[in-house]
Amino acid sequence: ELKVEQNPLFLSMQEGKNYTIYCNYSTTSDRLYWYRQDPGKSLESLFVLLSNGAVKQEGRLMASLDTKARLSTLHITAAVHDLSATYFCAVGTGSNYKLTFGKGTLLTVNP
Amino acid sequence: NAGVTQTPKFQVLKTGQSMTLQCAQDMNHEYMSWYRQDPGMGLRLIHYSVGAGITDQGEVPNGYNVSRSTTEDFPLRLLSAAPSQTSVYFCASSYEGGGADTQYFGPGTRLTVL
Repeated sequence: ELKVEQNPLFLSMQEGKNYTIYCNYSTTSDRLYWYRQDPGKSLESLFVLLSNGAVKQEGRLMASLDTKARLSTLHITAAVHDLSATYFCAVGTGSNYKLTFGKGTLLTVNP
Repeated sequence: NAGVTQTPKFQVLKTGQSMTLQCAQDMNHEYMSWYRQDPGMGLRLIHYSVGAGITDQGEVPNGYNVSRSTTEDFPLRLLSAAPSQTSVYFCASSYEGGGADTQYFGPGTRLTVL
């Protein structure tokens, strides 16, 4: 059974600081997705990582994938309040038909 | 494009009642799925479909039925609601399996079973 573990589950950071969210998974996969969810809202796709060594960046967020280590990271650079949200990673196995989600990381950026 | 739509937004049921959560997409996506989101649990896959007439179970299928008669629609039926089914339900769709296509999520249905 595939397990997807995110840490930390709660992250409180100050504006301007850098931090990294980690996503570990237990079986082989080369498909890793990051989503953002604002309170009471739906999920918004951030990144799709499809191969070992894949790196994608959008604004202050950068995601990477190491399939050998079964690890993806979401790095936040110079955090701003607007980044406050819950971030989920999800691992695709077999095909894209079945995604297994981590429990999410609740990020709070304080002024 | 409206994307993925879900109705209703909110629903309160009594134990034992049945109901159908509606999901529709106008992107001609083959793949559709239903998830439930519970506090601290992430999202868990209930059922999914890879095309009209084809459905399969996900991680937590018990108590739910689905069918897919058209590409656009993928309703989720609760046969006899239980308090354990209190949750937020999300429908999602994507063009096809195989990785590069992310799933697009609907706005969700918040269900309470008393």
